[in-house]
Amino acid sequence: NAGVTQTPKFQVLKTGQSMTLQCAQDMNHEYMSWYRQDPGMGLRLIHYSVGAGITDQGEVPNGYNVSRSTTEDFPLRLLSAAPSQTSVYFCASRFRGKTEAFFGQGTRLTVV
Amino acid sequence: QQQVKQSPQSLIVQKGGISIINCAYENTAFDYFPWYQQFPGKGPALLIAIRPDVSEKKEGRFTISFNKSAKQFSLHIMDSQPGDSATYFCAASMGLSGGSNYKLTFGKGTLLTVNP
Repeated sequence: NAGVTQTPKFQVLKTGQSMTLQCAQDMNHEYMSWYRQDPGMGLRLIHYSVGAGITDQGEVPNGYNVSRSTTEDFPLRLLSAAPSQTSVYFCASRFRGKTEAFFGQGTRLTVV
Repeated sequence: QQQVKQSPQSLIVQKGGISIINCAYENTAFDYFPWYQQFPGKGPALLIAIRPDVSEKKEGRFTISFNKSAKQFSLHIMDSQPGDSATYFCAASMGLSGGSNYKLTFGKGTLLTVNP
C-alpha cells in the first residue's frame, strides 16, 4: 500500500513549456485534490475531483488543467508554464464521508 | 478573502515548554477543524481534529481547544520536544454531514522550532 504517490519529485521548466504532474493513489479514495504551497501562503486548492469523470476548480485554478479518467489517477497539467507557477505541489486524497486527507510527498517545480 | 487566519507565523519554544498556535475562522458553516503537521520535504499529515460540538480534544501531548462563539481554535503542544519541530497548519471545511467535505481551507502555517 503506497498511499499517494507523486511524480516527479523535482522539475525545472522553462517559461512556456508544458508538463504533467502525476498523482496516483491506491486506497480507492473517491476524492482527490491538488494544492500548491508557497512561502507564507499556506496550501491553496487548485482543482479537485469527487470521482472519476468529475472535476471542479478550487481557489487558484488559472493556468492548470486536470482530468480524472480513473479512480486512482489525477494528473495536473501546466499548459504553458510561467514563473508564477514556481511552487511545491501536493496531491491529496480521501474517502467520501471520511475526514482525513492523505497527502503525497510533493513535487517541487521551478519555472525559469 | 482569507477564511482561516493563523498565528503566529513562527514560534520558538524551549524543550519541555508549551507551544500554542491559534486560528480564527469567519465562515460559521465550517464544521470540521483539523490540524496538519508537515516536516521538511514531506507532505502534510493529519495530527488531530475537532468538530464544533466539543470544546476540547486531547491526544497525547496535543490538545485542540475550540471556542465556537469566538470562532477560534488553537493547538496546544505540551512538553514540546525537538522532534515536534515542523510546520503546523490549521484548516477548516464545511458540509461534513452533507458530503461536500472535499475542500479544506488552510491557514498560512506556523513554523515551530523546539530548542533542546
